[in-house]
Amino acid sequence: EDKVVQSPLSLVVHEGDTVTLNCSYEVTNFRSLLWYKQEKKAPTFLFMLTSSGIEKKSGRLSSILDKKELFSILNITATQTGDSAVYLCAFYAGNNRKLIWGLGTSLAVNP
Amino acid sequence: ETGVTQSPTHLIKTRGQQVTLRCSSQSGHNTVSWYQQALGQGPQFIFQYYREEENGRGNFPPRFSGLQFPNYSSELNVNALELDDSALYLCASSLRLAGVGETQYFGPGTRLLVL
Repeated sequence: EDKVVQSPLSLVVHEGDTVTLNCSYEVTNFRSLLWYKQEKKAPTFLFMLTSSGIEKKSGRLSSILDKKELFSILNITATQTGDSAVYLCAFYAGNNRKLIWGLGTSLAVNP
Repeated sequence: ETGVTQSPTHLIKTRGQQVTLRCSSQSGHNTVSWYQQALGQGPQFIFQYYREEENGRGNFPPRFSGLQFPNYSSELNVNALELDDSALYLCASSLRLAGVGETQYFGPGTRLLVL
């Protein structure tokens, strides 16, 4: 059965710290992996990764996929209190049109 | 803002009742997916609609049903509500493309409480 595991489940840091969030997966016929940020309500899209070894970057956030070792990481540098949220990874596999989600990493950034 | 809207934002129902949740997709999108998210969990796929037909379903009983309209907006209906149906219901719209899978953009969600 396809599954995705995120770690850590929860993280508390101080403003200015750098964090690395992990997402490992076991899928048949991997197609793409997506990262989302969820604050109070709806997840907001961050990145879609399809190719191994190519970093996607947006401001202080970046992500990379390793298709050989079956994981992805999301890095946030110089964290701010506004980065406090749950970060979710999800993927598409096979011919399935549904996103399969991890439980998320809850990040709290303290001033 | 994703341009995806959902209504209502909050809803309280009692066991056994029926509920209809609504979603308007982003302009230009042809696909709507519905998810149930319990507290502290990742979203769970309910089903997806593409061009007015159900196109994929998760592990939810038949009392969860849906519709998609010609303008690509969608409804999620839940009959015979149970306490465990209390959750955040998320709708996501996307433009179906061949290949690696499309980015899904989420609405603000409807929080349902079943008493």
